[in-house]
Amino acid sequence: DTGVSQDPRHKITKRGQNVTFRCDPISEHNRLYWYRQTLGQGPEFLTYFQNEAQLEKSRLLSDRFSAERPKGSFSTLEIQRTEQGDSAMYLCASSLPTRYYGYTFGSGTRLTVV
Amino acid sequence: AQSVTQLDSHVSVSEGTPVLLRCNYSSSYSPSLFWYVQHPNKGLQLLLKYTSAATLVKGINGFEAEFKKSETSFHLTKPSAHMSDAAEYFCVVEYGNKLVFGAGTILRVKS
Repeated sequence: DTGVSQDPRHKITKRGQNVTFRCDPISEHNRLYWYRQTLGQGPEFLTYFQNEAQLEKSRLLSDRFSAERPKGSFSTLEIQRTEQGDSAMYLCASSLPTRYYGYTFGSGTRLTVV
Repeated sequence: AQSVTQLDSHVSVSEGTPVLLRCNYSSSYSPSLFWYVQHPNKGLQLLLKYTSAATLVKGINGFEAEFKKSETSFHLTKPSAHMSDAAEYFCVVEYGNKLVFGAGTILRVKS
């Protein structure tokens, strides 16, 4: 499979627990993005990496959220002290450094906070 | 700031009839525009993209979209709907290094 992989597909956690999601982009893509999609809405941008550098973060990304891409390959998104409002689909995408090729999305991680 | 308005939250068509999903965008410069489709429990799939080349863009599965700068529109069309087209469709504008999504249009195809 040469697409964008996300793990796990589903996560149910209790409020207050920490969770971590992983994204493996297409290997030759140096750009990686995280988006969040809540029910009935389009995805919203969270953050963006070029190689290992986190170049942009949305104000949606509160202090409880942290993302890393330590070696410029896979990325992790951690949410600390989860809240019910964090329940959403978390999508990862990757791209080449030119808009011509578009963005490839993974299937997402669905988080449910109970 | 860039924004996208999808004019219909739901569209229902009969199989074999044309599909029209409407999208208006707001952009301070010549934008890159995309249409993505999301089937239930599946990831977002790129249908087509406009990047300031031809204004009529052909995508996968028979879809196409026309960029009209004067109307700030990028409507998605297909001549003949198929049952497998039932899904949610997102119109998207690129803003710097991020995508700004519309709220989505759910397409229902009746047999």
